[in-house]
Amino acid sequence: SAVISQKPSRDICQRGTSLTIQCQVDSQVTMMFWYRQQPGQSLTLIATANQGSEATYESGFVIDKFPISRPNLTFSTLTVSNMSPEDSSIYLCSVGLQNNEQFFGPGTRLTVL
Amino acid sequence: GQSLEQPSEVTAVEGAIVQINCTYQTSGFYGLSWYQQHDGGAPTFLSYNALDGLEETGRFSSFLSRSDSYGYLLLQELQMKDSASYFCAVRDSSGTYKYIFGTGTRLKVLA
Repeated sequence: SAVISQKPSRDICQRGTSLTIQCQVDSQVTMMFWYRQQPGQSLTLIATANQGSEATYESGFVIDKFPISRPNLTFSTLTVSNMSPEDSSIYLCSVGLQNNEQFFGPGTRLTVL
Repeated sequence: GQSLEQPSEVTAVEGAIVQINCTYQTSGFYGLSWYQQHDGGAPTFLSYNALDGLEETGRFSSFLSRSDSYGYLLLQELQMKDSASYFCAVRDSSGTYKYIFGTGTRLKVLA
């Protein structure tokens, strides 16, 4: 298993600003993922962040808007840039283990005014 | 395109058995996972099927038919604490082995 922490747990931001979300894992993992989830909705994958390579973004998500860093095997950041109210959501990081299990962080609840 | 369809809501009584179905259409398939998510919480991993057949883990079982692009989660001896949202997710075999999540099923367990 893996224990994942995220910071901040929640934030309220003004439109046009940026927020960086941190994801810390208690063990070394290759595969990390960033998701977005609206309340009552499913999870939408933003990007895959594997250490040693550039992040791979899903359709509808671009690096300029959601830059991701993956400096080592236990840490990643997701930045939500130039925010608008439409970016209000819960952002989740997760790790994929070799046995195909996936563990999630507690999430970051973002509100953009 | 890729799609995973689930019933939006299922209701059952305590002690009953409930089955949550998932049909998928993806460009690549490596395996099917199931997750539970309580309101306000993060998804938690329940099971993973890579091969056809039934996997049993306590009160929960998961089934996969790759030829039918279909799977289900079976919950037995339902308890009130099982009230939650349940998501299937396909692990894609193309590219980054990412997980694509289904639409989600909200399970309500009644006393």
